Amino acid sequence: EIVMTQSPATLSVSPGERATLSCRASQSVSSNLAWYQQRPGQAPRLLIYDASTRATDIPARFSGSGSGTEFTLTISSLQSEDFAIYYCQQYNNWLRWTFGQGTKVEIK
Amino acid sequence: EVQLLESGGDLVQPGGSLRLSCAASGFTFSSYGMSWVRQAPGKGLEWVSAMNGGGGSTYYADSVKGRFTISRDNPRNMLYLQMNSLRAEDTAVYYCAKTFGSNWLLDYWGQGTLVTVSS
Repeated sequence: EIVMTQSPATLSVSPGERATLSCRASQSVSSNLAWYQQRPGQAPRLLIYDASTRATDIPARFSGSGSGTEFTLTISSLQSEDFAIYYCQQYNNWLRWTFGQGTKVEIK
Repeated sequence: EVQLLESGGDLVQPGGSLRLSCAASGFTFSSYGMSWVRQAPGKGLEWVSAMNGGGGSTYYADSVKGRFTISRDNPRNMLYLQMNSLRAEDTAVYYCAKTFGSNWLLDYWGQGTLVTVSS
């Protein structure tokens, strides 16, 4: 099983500031990496896939980068609606998908 | 607009059974693979099962293989998850999700239904 490790567990950021979230895979997943946002009490929402492609209707302030085992999600200027938990997911192993444990982005 | 609405979650005793349903609308249901993903209270996400659009191929996580069965009724736009021999560790919110692309990315999710396994 590919283990996905996210850091930090919690990130305290002021509105308008940049947030940088990390995700590391225990083995290479190429660019088969997605990011999801989960607001409290809501279902996850796909933000980024193929490591750097924004999903439909996702604002440009969200960007993803990386390949292999190291990945980054950057939120360029945090808005109030961006305070949430973010999960990375690898889909390199067909239907042996695994998720990271999540990074909570909270208001500083 | 894509909509997914899960139902069927409940409190069930260990060893019991439950069937979850997911009603889909806003897209051509039979053209897309569908998946179930669960989230234990306060925990992260765990993929559970998936099925292709035609219903001929099914996939399961090792943790549920042999106990859970995924199925679908394409004319009725419904996805199901039959859960047998339930354990405490199956307690979670269960989400159904639509897939897209060759990698079956999860692009739309329902709001989830809570399954609690406890005596």
